[in-house]
Amino acid sequence: GAVVSQHPSRVICKSGTSVKIECRSLDFQATTMFWYRQFPKQSLMLMATSNEGSKATYEQGVEKDKFLINHASLTLSTLTVTSAHPEDSSFYICSAQRTGSEKLFFGSGTQLSVL
Amino acid sequence: GENVEQHPSTLSVQEGDSAVIKCTYSDSASNYFPWYKQELGKGPQLIIDIRSNVGEKKDQRIAVTLNKTAKHFSLHITETQPEDSAVYFCAASWGNTGNQFYFGTGTSLTVIP
Repeated sequence: GAVVSQHPSRVICKSGTSVKIECRSLDFQATTMFWYRQFPKQSLMLMATSNEGSKATYEQGVEKDKFLINHASLTLSTLTVTSAHPEDSSFYICSAQRTGSEKLFFGSGTQLSVL
Repeated sequence: GENVEQHPSTLSVQEGDSAVIKCTYSDSASNYFPWYKQELGKGPQLIIDIRSNVGEKKDQRIAVTLNKTAKHFSLHITETQPEDSAVYFCAASWGNTGNQFYFGTGTSLTVIP
């Protein structure tokens, strides 16, 4: 099966610091990766679409300078939450779409807590 | 844009009974419909999917049906087990690489032993 590895699974940081989350497709190439945010008992909220070698496309209301996305290779995308604040605390999930396929596979998520 | 509605939001069934979750979509251009299972604190897991040129697909105890005319699709779980308890999300997409997925609001399924 297709495996998407996301790290870290949980991170606690102080307000004002930056946090980097990695998303790797382990056994397939992913031209497109998506980043989501999920609040408790709610659905997935798309933050941005990341295409390998291109700038990410951000959804309305998502600050691109705060949520930096890099998709430098076909197997790795990173999300950096810059100058994190308590309101950024959330569950962040990445997903990877196998190149040439419509199937979408998710990472295990990162629970970010900003103190 | 696409709008995906999912019902019910919560569902409780006795172990061994069947569970059905329904979704509707608005964009007739959507042609790929996956279902995901999400356990607490984990990412969603793809459990079954269907393309618009197929009306039904089965995988052991799980099946998905699609009615293109009515723009709705359903997840059927038979002989439910406690480990089926999770949140289930439906989604719709245009089916090509790079196209956005539109998710339903989720159904919290509880299987009572």
